[in-house]
Amino acid sequence: AQSVTQLGSHVSVSEGALVLLRCNYSSSVPPYLFWYVQYPNQGLQLLLKYTSAATLVKGINGFEAEFKKSETSFHLTKPSAHMSDAAEYFCAVITQAGTALIFGKGTTLSVSS
Amino acid sequence: DAMVIQNPRYQVTQFGKPVTLSCSQTLNHNVMYWYQQKSSQAPKLLFHYYDKDFNNEADTPDNFQSRRPNTSFCFLDIRSPGLGDAAMYLCATSGNRASSTDTQYFGPGTRLTVL
Repeated sequence: AQSVTQLGSHVSVSEGALVLLRCNYSSSVPPYLFWYVQYPNQGLQLLLKYTSAATLVKGINGFEAEFKKSETSFHLTKPSAHMSDAAEYFCAVITQAGTALIFGKGTTLSVSS
Repeated sequence: DAMVIQNPRYQVTQFGKPVTLSCSQTLNHNVMYWYQQKSSQAPKLLFHYYDKDFNNEADTPDNFQSRRPNTSFCFLDIRSPGLGDAAMYLCATSGNRASSTDTQYFGPGTRLTVL
């Protein structure tokens, strides 16, 4: 069975600081991995996805993630946080059947001025 | 703009009173999904439609049903809501279930309150 684990339910950074949100995966087959962002009382928006084409994936809003097979990780980073980045972030892996997204428990990002 | 629309955004129902949540999409996608997201938890897939083919997750309670009358619309019916069914319900679509890399596009969700 596939799963993802997000380390840290809450991350706080100052505006302009580096954002690092951690995600580790477990999969018996090469995984397809996703990062979604959820703003309060809204649905999920795709930030980026890894589909085995390139290990460094660039997404929207200046976010990127690097797939590291040796570490079974897919951490999300952004060089400089903005106040507007404050939201809930979910890492997800898709099932082998290609149907369900299996989400991590989420990480709440707070950005202070 | 092409998008996934959910109505209503907020729904209040009484314990045991049937309720229907609606989702529509203008993306002309083949696949439509319903996820349940309880407070401070990750979304969890309830079921999905691939065209008219209904696929239920093994642990989805019988209390939850779904209908897809056409490509654009999909409904979530909760026959007898309990307090534990209070959650955000998210509808999503994707173009092709056969492609594991296909992006799922989410609607804004319907927050269900059960009194």
